[in-house]
Amino acid sequence: GAVVSQHPSWVICKSGTSVKIECRSLDFQATTMFWYRQFPKQSLMLMATSNEGSKATYEQGVEKDKFLINHASLTLSTLTVTSAHPEDSSFYICSASSLAGDSSEQFFGPGTRLTVL
Amino acid sequence: GQNIDQPTEMTATEGAIVQINCTYQTSGFNGLFWYQQHAGEAPTFLSYNVLDGLEEKGRLSSFLSRSKGYSYLLLKELQMKDSASYLCAVRDSNYQLIWGAGTKLIIKP
Repeated sequence: GAVVSQHPSWVICKSGTSVKIECRSLDFQATTMFWYRQFPKQSLMLMATSNEGSKATYEQGVEKDKFLINHASLTLSTLTVTSAHPEDSSFYICSASSLAGDSSEQFFGPGTRLTVL
Repeated sequence: GQNIDQPTEMTATEGAIVQINCTYQTSGFNGLFWYQQHAGEAPTFLSYNVLDGLEEKGRLSSFLSRSKGYSYLLLKELQMKDSASYLCAVRDSNYQLIWGAGTKLIIKP
């Protein structure tokens, strides 16, 4: 299957700093990328959907000015958590899908564990 | 509103069979997915159903009834490594994935 990478896999930062997480599709062109957040023992929560070259669509309750998403190319999307606070500590997972070919699924990255002190 | 229901937790014995049910009410339907997620890891794809019926893949089968808004994931010959959360997700008319809360499967020796 297709491979999606995320970097970093984990990050610890001080409150008030910004953190950037990269999501890359390594062997296919991702027309759409999704960003999820998952708190311990809870299900995935979709934060936003981004299509290459256009603005991300944020889910209700997700602050677009706090969670900046850039999908500048068909293989890279970034999520920047601005002015992070301890309540932003979570597991952030990206996924990618392509409308090309027979792909019917989202391919998930390995996730980034963010801890804000 | 859109809703996916699945049991919170199930327990089964190594070597046995377990069926995890999922019911859904969504605006439109463009496929149902099952994912496995081990603690602290990202989900991994298990199966995809878009037409009614049973899809079989090794120890795993997934069933869909669109008229009933119902699916199940069947795992046979359970192994300890099958202990994980199993997530049901439905793609709606906007091609967004609506996620269930997941079923934590505990396998006992």
